[in-house]
Amino acid sequence: KQEVTQIPAALSVPEGENLVLNCSFTDSAIYNLQWFRQDPGKGLTSLLLIQSSQREQTSGRLNASLDKSSGRSTLYIAASQPGDSATYLCAVPGGGSNYKLTFGKGTLLTVNP
Amino acid sequence: DTAVSQTPKYLVTQMGNDKSIKCEQNLGHDTMYWYKQDSKKFLKIMFSYNNKELIINETVPNRFSPKSPDKAHLNLHINSLELGDSAVYFCASSQSGPSSRANVLTFGAGSRLTVL
Repeated sequence: KQEVTQIPAALSVPEGENLVLNCSFTDSAIYNLQWFRQDPGKGLTSLLLIQSSQREQTSGRLNASLDKSSGRSTLYIAASQPGDSATYLCAVPGGGSNYKLTFGKGTLLTVNP
Repeated sequence: DTAVSQTPKYLVTQMGNDKSIKCEQNLGHDTMYWYKQDSKKFLKIMFSYNNKELIINETVPNRFSPKSPDKAHLNLHINSLELGDSAVYFCASSQSGPSSRANVLTFGAGSRLTVL
């Protein structure tokens, strides 16, 4: 059974700081890993998708890394802004079907002006 | 223009009632999903349909019945609502294909169900 853990559960930083969010998963036989952003009262927005053959993926100020063998991924946010405040979730396929994503509980990020 | 749209956005109802949530996607995807996010923000899959066929059916009470009239629609009907059904229900869609891309999901904005 795939389990996903995200640390920390919440993080509060001043604007401009660089930060790292962590995600770990128990079953390393994954095809890919995704990072999502969830704003209050809204759906999830896919930020980055890393294929299992990749070690990292970048989009703007976001960089996600994947170490499949150790079951870990990190999301690095550079020069954080108040608009980055949201819950960040990572998700991996598993549980017997590639169509089934298992999500972590998320990290609630607050960037203070 | 909304890619995945759900209605209603908010639903408040009494215990024992029957209610439905509708979902439509205009992305041309062939796979649709229902996820439930409980009060602890834990997001779990409930159902998935691929080309109108049920492919994932998690351990969900049979009071929950999904229906997919076509590839672009997946509705969720809930009978005899209970307090514990209060949650945010998210619809999502994806395009099947190579395993590495099959689960790139696009989510709707969610439907917040409150059972009193």
